[in-house]
Amino acid sequence: AQSVTQLDSHVSVSEGTPVLLRCNYSSSYSPSLFWYVQHPNKGLQLLLKYTSAATLVKGINGFEAEFKKSETSFHLTKPSAHMSDAAEYFCVVSDNQAGTALIFGKGTTLSVSS
Amino acid sequence: KAGVTQTPRYLIKTRGQQVTLSCSPISGHRSVSWYQQTPGQGLQFLFEYFSETQRNKGNFPGRFSGRQFSNSRSEMNVSTLELGDSALYLCASSLGSSGSTPDTQYFGPGTRLTVL
Repeated sequence: AQSVTQLDSHVSVSEGTPVLLRCNYSSSYSPSLFWYVQHPNKGLQLLLKYTSAATLVKGINGFEAEFKKSETSFHLTKPSAHMSDAAEYFCVVSDNQAGTALIFGKGTTLSVSS
Repeated sequence: KAGVTQTPRYLIKTRGQQVTLSCSPISGHRSVSWYQQTPGQGLQFLFEYFSETQRNKGNFPGRFSGRQFSNSRSEMNVSTLELGDSALYLCASSLGSSGSTPDTQYFGPGTRLTVL
């Protein structure tokens, strides 16, 4: 069975400093992995997805993630945090090839201070 | 293109009642998935409909059901409501193609259900 574990429930950074949100996955086959972001009172938005092409995936708003099979990790990074990055972030694995049955991690709340 | 729309945005019901939630996918999308979001359990997959057929199902009791119409619009029904059904219900649409890589799912704003 597929699963994801987000290692931090809350991460606090200062504006302009790097962001690291950690995610480990478990999958019985080559997984499709995603990062979604949810801003308060807004819908979920896809940041990026990994589908076994390049292991370093670039997403929107300067975010990127690296798939490391040996470590079963898919950590999300951004070189410089912006106040508008404050939101909840979900690491997600697809439970089917079509990507229509997603398994979500518990989420990491990112706080950004000025 | 218009995004995924869900109606109503807010609902208040009492225990034992039933409720129907509606989701209109992005034009051209044939797959609609439903998710439940609660503070305790997080986001959980309920089921997916494609071409009017349930294609995938999560681990929820039979009180949760759904259907999809020929125009790809979908409804979700919860019967005999319990307090624990209070949640944000999200639907997501995608093309639903069966290619080698998964489609991107686009989420609606959700319906906030409160059961009293």
